[in-house]
Amino acid sequence: AQSVTQLDSHVSVSEGTPVLLRCNYSSSYSPSLFWYVQHPNKGLQLLLKYTSAATLVKGINGFEAEFKKSETSFHLTKPSAHMSDAAEYFCVVIPLGGYNKLIFGAGTRLAVHP
Amino acid sequence: DAGVTQSPTHLIKTRGQHVTLRCSPISGHKSVSWYQQVLGQGPQFIFQYYEKEERGRGNFPDRFSARQFPNYSSELNVNALLLGDSALYLCASTKRDREETQYFGPGTRLLVL
Repeated sequence: AQSVTQLDSHVSVSEGTPVLLRCNYSSSYSPSLFWYVQHPNKGLQLLLKYTSAATLVKGINGFEAEFKKSETSFHLTKPSAHMSDAAEYFCVVIPLGGYNKLIFGAGTRLAVHP
Repeated sequence: DAGVTQSPTHLIKTRGQHVTLRCSPISGHKSVSWYQQVLGQGPQFIFQYYEKEERGRGNFPDRFSARQFPNYSSELNVNALLLGDSALYLCASTKRDREETQYFGPGTRLLVL
């Protein structure tokens, strides 16, 4: 069965420093992978998605993620954190044939300090 | 254009009661999915409806049911509420069936006492 594991439940960075949120996936095929962000009292927002077109995926707000098949990873990065990036981030995989059935990781809470 | 809307925003119920949550998809979207997000966890898939037909069901008991109306809005019903049903219930919509990018509403926070 397909699944994702987010390796850190909490990450804390200073404003202006790089962000790294780690995600490993488990899949017997080349999966569709996503990162979503959830701000307090707001709906989940799609940051970026990988669907095998290119291994480096650029998303909104300066985020990007690299698909590494050899490491079964899809880590989310941003060169310089902003206070507004503080939120919960979810790595997501879609099971084979399950287009609308998103499988979420447990989430990583990102704190950004001045 | 309005995004996905959900009502109510918050709800408090007691064990054994029944609850109905409502969702209106983005205009032109015909598919609605429901997710349950327990505190501290990622959302879990409950149901997907497309053109008023159930297209997918997650691993939830029969106490959970849903339906979709001709205007593509949807209701999630939960009977015989348990304390463990306390969660944020999220609705998401897509234009078509089998579409990967979903658009989420802000959710309904349900507390069962």
